[in-house]
Amino acid sequence: DAGVIQSPRHEVTEMGQEVTLRCKPISGHDYLFWYRQTMMRGLELLIYFNNNVPIDDSGMPEDRFSAKMPNASFSTLKIQPSEPRDSAVYFCASSFSSETSGGPEQYFGPGTRLTVT
Amino acid sequence: AQSVTQLDSQVPVFEEAPVELRCNYSSSVSVYLFWYVQYPNQGLQLLLKYLSGSTLVESINGFEAEFNKSQTSFHLRKPSVHISDTAEYFCAVSDKSGGGNKLTFGTGTQLKVEL
Repeated sequence: DAGVIQSPRHEVTEMGQEVTLRCKPISGHDYLFWYRQTMMRGLELLIYFNNNVPIDDSGMPEDRFSAKMPNASFSTLKIQPSEPRDSAVYFCASSFSSETSGGPEQYFGPGTRLTVT
Repeated sequence: AQSVTQLDSQVPVFEEAPVELRCNYSSSVSVYLFWYVQYPNQGLQLLLKYLSGSTLVESINGFEAEFNKSQTSFHLRKPSVHISDTAEYFCAVSDKSGGGNKLTFGTGTQLKVEL
């Protein structure tokens, strides 16, 4: 399996622009997670989905952030409008439901490094 | 709700020396426990996990961790480290009764192996 795929790997944009980050989870996984990592705040869970349905979005910083999962193999995280403080590495991760297969460990993608100038 | 404490933000150690990275968790329910490793400019990779059974779990590259329920700890150890072990290590916990899929991560410990 190719693992979790994220695109783009790097994104540089100007303040006020819309940014869309993309994620393809591991085939068969039914949980998908979006995280943000910064030096100041560490690793933060933004939102997660189960069977394409958002379960907990309490970590989404504000209304400028939105996430969708239109099908089992694709998710997006959108920031509109972007601000310099959104600069971070954004990770997507996926996992099996622990009730159906194996353990609940998450598999992480390589991340998208976002820089907002 | 669970929480994870990694007391050491940085641990410097000489190559071939032993190392212990400490992890304590807080939870009122049964838990799953994990250690992840993050190399520079990469995503997190699962190092080892405790789900049930033997309280001592091992990774393929010589790390081990022991689940201690009475002390609510899951410390990571390696008897002899290598330069290539330099990375950031994250401890994580999840609630078994909730399915265990949502992980709560610690703040990470930067392991720096020196010659």
